[in-house]
Amino acid sequence: ETGVTQTPRHLVMGMTNKKSLKCEQHLGHNAMYWYKQSAKKPLELMFVYSLEERVENNSVPSRFSPECPNSSHLFLHLHTLQPEDSALYLCASSQNTGFLSGNTIYFGEGSWLTVV
Amino acid sequence: QKEVEQNSGPLSVPEGAIASLNCTYSDRVSQSFFWYRQYSGKSPELIMSIYSNGDKEDGRFTAQLNKASQYVSLLIRDSQPSDSATYLCAVNVHNFNKFYFGSGTKLNVKP
Repeated sequence: ETGVTQTPRHLVMGMTNKKSLKCEQHLGHNAMYWYKQSAKKPLELMFVYSLEERVENNSVPSRFSPECPNSSHLFLHLHTLQPEDSALYLCASSQNTGFLSGNTIYFGEGSWLTVV
Repeated sequence: QKEVEQNSGPLSVPEGAIASLNCTYSDRVSQSFFWYRQYSGKSPELIMSIYSNGDKEDGRFTAQLNKASQYVSLLIRDSQPSDSATYLCAVNVHNFNKFYFGSGTKLNVKP
C-alpha cells in the first residue's frame, strides 16, 4: 500500500464511451501525476498538477482530459479513445514538484484500460 | 537521444549471485536518481534513491552514482527468485516537473 489509490483497476470501454479514472492520495502530497505505460515502452508522463494547478501537459491528445479538484484527488476523463490508447495508466504523487532532495514519486496500483 | 537508457535484458543470474543493473542519462544537470522495481502486472515501487556520487547501501541493494560519467547502477546481492522483475531507472531533472524513466531492465533470477 503506497498511499495512492486508483479506481477502477480494470476498465474496458468502447471507442464511443466516456469514462473516468480516479486517483486519491493519502500522503499529504502537493503534486500529482498521470503516466501512461504501454508494452515495452518507457513510462510516458501525461500531466502534472501542483497544488491543483496543471503545470505540465506533454502534448497529450484532447481525448484525455485531466481534472484536479484538490491536492488529494486527480481524475482522468476519457472520451472517444482509440484502441492504441489501451495501456496501464498510473497515477502518482510527490511532496512537491521541482528538485528537492527526498522528493520522490509514489505510484498507485494503476488502471488497466482496454479500448475495444 | 533518450533521456534515460537501460538495457532491456533479460538479465539472467543464478540464485545467490550478484545482479548488476545499469542506467545512463543524458542531462548533466540531473539531480536525483531512483530505482523502481515493477513486477509483472503491478505498478512500480521505489527501491532506492541516491543524490550524491558514490555508493548507497540498503540491505541487499546498493545504488552507485557517477555524475561525471552520467551513470547510475543498482547491485542486488544474494539474488533471490523473488527479485525477478523489471527494474526502472528514473532521473529527476533540475528545475523539473520531470521524472524521466528508462524502459526498464528485466531481471530473471533462476533457482
